[in-house]
Amino acid sequence: SYVLTQPPSVSVAPGQTARITCGGNNIGSKSVHWYQQKPGQAPVLVVYDDSDRPSGIPERFSGSNSGNTATLTISRVEAGDEADYYCQVWDSSSDQGVFGGGTKLTVL
Amino acid sequence: EVQLVESGGGLVQPGGSLRLSCAASGFTFSSYWMSWVRQAPGKGLEWVANIKQDGSEKYYVDSVKGRFTISRDNAKNSLYLQMNSLRAEDTAVYYCARGVYAHDYWGQGTLVTVSS
Repeated sequence: SYVLTQPPSVSVAPGQTARITCGGNNIGSKSVHWYQQKPGQAPVLVVYDDSDRPSGIPERFSGSNSGNTATLTISRVEAGDEADYYCQVWDSSSDQGVFGGGTKLTVL
Repeated sequence: EVQLVESGGGLVQPGGSLRLSCAASGFTFSSYWMSWVRQAPGKGLEWVANIKQDGSEKYYVDSVKGRFTISRDNAKNSLYLQMNSLRAEDTAVYYCARGVYAHDYWGQGTLVTVSS
């Protein structure tokens, strides 16, 4: 089955840029979606189809996808961005959804 | 306002059954694929199953195939997950989510605990 690999943790100072990666075999050929989840809350979609943002999501959140790595970039990080972030794809070879293991973003 | 409200969770013994429900409102339920996603305590998200608008296509994660059944009633704006032969590893918060690939709306989840 298809595997998505995320770093367990990323730390960044306020105002700096956070980059969270999601690795997968030829992931550039798939559409990648990103979710933010804060403790005790349901996930929130922050980027879909590699780089599109749902309405209400700040422009500070952006995404890219090429080769074997997709990246969620959060610019001008704020304390409120501290959360777990998950990438997701649809694996058409198995007809199953797949989530990465998640990355805990810590704002120093 | 889009709302998804799950119910039906609880404590069940290994080998037992449980039926989860998700009541949808604020959008045309019959126009959307719907999905179930779960999260074991302290763990990451795991996609479980999804179902096409008319129920004609259903897909499942390997670990629940043959044990779980996803269904929907468009007249009642409701999504269901029938869970049989439950195992300890099925213990999780189960979320109902809109969409087949990207899930733009989620419920708050319902906790299923499988334990003797």
